[in-house]
Amino acid sequence: TQLLEQSPQFLSIQEGENLTVYCNSSSVFSSLQWYRQEPGEGPVLLVTVVTGGEVKKLKRLTFQFGDARKDSSLHITAAQPGDTGLYLCAGFSGGGADGLTFGKGTHLIIQP
Amino acid sequence: DTGVSQNPRHKITKRGQNVTFRCDPISEHNRLYWYRQTLGQGPEFLTYFQNEAQLEKSRLLSDRFSAERPKGSFSTLEIQRTEQGDSAMYLCASSLATSGRYNEQFFGPGTRLTVL
Repeated sequence: TQLLEQSPQFLSIQEGENLTVYCNSSSVFSSLQWYRQEPGEGPVLLVTVVTGGEVKKLKRLTFQFGDARKDSSLHITAAQPGDTGLYLCAGFSGGGADGLTFGKGTHLIIQP
Repeated sequence: DTGVSQNPRHKITKRGQNVTFRCDPISEHNRLYWYRQTLGQGPEFLTYFQNEAQLEKSRLLSDRFSAERPKGSFSTLEIQRTEQGDSAMYLCASSLATSGRYNEQFFGPGTRLTVL
C-alpha cells in the first residue's frame, strides 16, 4: 500500500511569513499533484510535477518534486490570509492504477 | 461554467435507506473517478471509469456500493442500506486519458452525506 505522509498537519502563522509543507513517501510516483481545499468544497488543482528535481512556481507558491520522485515540497513566500486552506498532495502511480493516493493534508491558517 | 458538477450537494438520510448521487464530468473528459473523504483525512479512491467501462475498484467499495456510467457521460453512485459509517464527503473527479505520467484530475464540489 502506498502512503503519502504530509507534514506538518497543522500550521498557523502570521501574514507575511514564509512556510514550507512537505509530502513524503517510500514509493516512487509517476507524477504528483498539489491541491487546495476549502471547507465544504472539492479540492482545486494547483500544480502537477512529473520530472524528478522539477521546480514549478505559481506566483508566491514554489513546488518541488524530489530527484527520486518520492517526495515533494510546497513553499509559500509572504503568506497572505487568502492562502488559508487545506493543502493536499496526491501521487499518481500509473501502470494501470489510476486512482490518486492522497496525503492527509496540511491545515494552513494565515492570521492577519 | 464547464467544471465537474455534483448533485445533490448535501444529503441527510436515515440508516438503512438507499441514496444515489450524480456526477457530471467536464464534457471532453473520458475518465471519471469517485472518492470518499472523511473528516481529517484526504480523499480515498473508490472506483473509476474510462468511458462507460468500470476499470478499477478499491477494496473500500463494499457490496452495498455500486457505480454506473451508462453512456460514458454522467455517473451515479448508489449506496444501499446506508450505515452511519458511510457518512462522508463523496467526491467526483474527471480527467482526459493521456499516455505518460500525467493524470490531472479535476474535482467537483462533492456531496456531503450524513447518515442518522
